[in-house]
Amino acid sequence: DTAVSQTPKYLVTQMGNDKSIKCEQNLGHDTMYWYKQDSKKFLKIMFSYNNKELIINETVPNRFSPKSPDKAHLNLHINSLELGDSAVYFCASSPYSSGNTEAFFGQGTRLTVV
Amino acid sequence: AQKVTQAQTEISVVEKEDVTLDCVYETRDTTYYLFWYKQPPSGELVFLIRRNSFDEQNEISGRYSWNFQKSTSSFNFTITASQVVDSAVYFCALSEEMDSNYQLIWGAGTKLIIKP
Repeated sequence: DTAVSQTPKYLVTQMGNDKSIKCEQNLGHDTMYWYKQDSKKFLKIMFSYNNKELIINETVPNRFSPKSPDKAHLNLHINSLELGDSAVYFCASSPYSSGNTEAFFGQGTRLTVV
Repeated sequence: AQKVTQAQTEISVVEKEDVTLDCVYETRDTTYYLFWYKQPPSGELVFLIRRNSFDEQNEISGRYSWNFQKSTSSFNFTITASQVVDSAVYFCALSEEMDSNYQLIWGAGTKLIIKP
């Protein structure tokens, strides 16, 4: 069973479109995250949710909107896609948000905006 | 500001050589956590180790070992007798409290190439 699964794995879309990436974890964790990895492999946190509540919201354009219908799911919706949004997006989860536990990552979604 | 530096952008060695990946961090906190993750060519991020700031004991896991030294703010990772399957990008990360929540601050990663 996949612990953290995100779909789709690849997403190619045109500028201006709206797209969503879904993420689900079956680990029973309380905390979920979205990270962005750019072309230079640099990882940056975008959002963090703890029990469906937003706890970290880094400086990202408000075209990015996370939604957590329950603590096992954290989806990422992106409006009006731009070329600069092209990256790999990782979903992750951890047992809680205290910082002393490792995060488990999904396989990533490679988003290409053309 | 907290920061994680992995000065080695890319390392290339021949199989069976030992290799050390450096990680230097900056933090003002006394309580913090350090991590290493591996990202193989397939792209997923794999957790390797977690270490808290109060535990400076070095750790060995098979061919992998980690040397945590608070005096130099370093948390280096050594692979002994490297294998081609060790080829990956390795990330060091620091977790510390910010505004009542913990965040992972990532290094830029070191790309390790093991040649047969």
